[in-house]
Amino acid sequence: DQQVKQNSPSLSVQEGRISILNCDYTNSMFDYFLWYKKYPAEGPTFLISISSIKDKNEDGRFTVFLNKSAKHLSLHIVPSQPGDSAVYFCAASGYGNKLVFGAGTILRVKS
Amino acid sequence: DSGVTQTPKHLITATGQRVTLRCSPRSGDLSVYWYQQSLDQGLQFLIQYYNGEERAKGNILERFSAQQFPDLHSELNLSSLELGDSALYFCASSVGAGGTSYNEQFFGPGTRLTVL
Repeated sequence: DQQVKQNSPSLSVQEGRISILNCDYTNSMFDYFLWYKKYPAEGPTFLISISSIKDKNEDGRFTVFLNKSAKHLSLHIVPSQPGDSAVYFCAASGYGNKLVFGAGTILRVKS
Repeated sequence: DSGVTQTPKHLITATGQRVTLRCSPRSGDLSVYWYQQSLDQGLQFLIQYYNGEERAKGNILERFSAQQFPDLHSELNLSSLELGDSALYFCASSVGAGGTSYNEQFFGPGTRLTVL
């Protein structure tokens, strides 16, 4: 039972353009959502998060949007840079602190 | 560098064997989490400890066990290993245990386990 789904295994974007990564969830008890970035041979690193009481959170080039009625969130990266090339994981948390992760999306930013 | 350390980085062993993975949390963090990432999958939560006590359990197999010691480091023991146990095992730590508000988790670099 996949409670968090990232339906796009990979995404390729030109440098300077917008990258949009999508994530869907099924459990309405989730109240906190996060995006992690992962490079090969490293652990996931926190990128940005959003609480269920908000619909948008911005941090520099990164913006996360949450649509609770659709149980959907997205990560926008503008402008995309070659250093953004990595695997991006969407994760969700309900009561307690455990995280439920999606399968990840490989982002490739071409220069 | 997240401040979370994991040893060993790589482990190759045979089916039926037992291994121990070790994790040292960030200084000051009381909670430790273990996650498993199999090929092409997301991280799956296994278990959480807070200040030495088991706090939450995920889909952890009965062949797997964990503990958190008084110095707050944690060990994940995997026994009767099967080919399907080959995966990346990540440890994470946070200051608190979570509950009504989320406590940020910081991840270690992982241990890659290969079972032959």
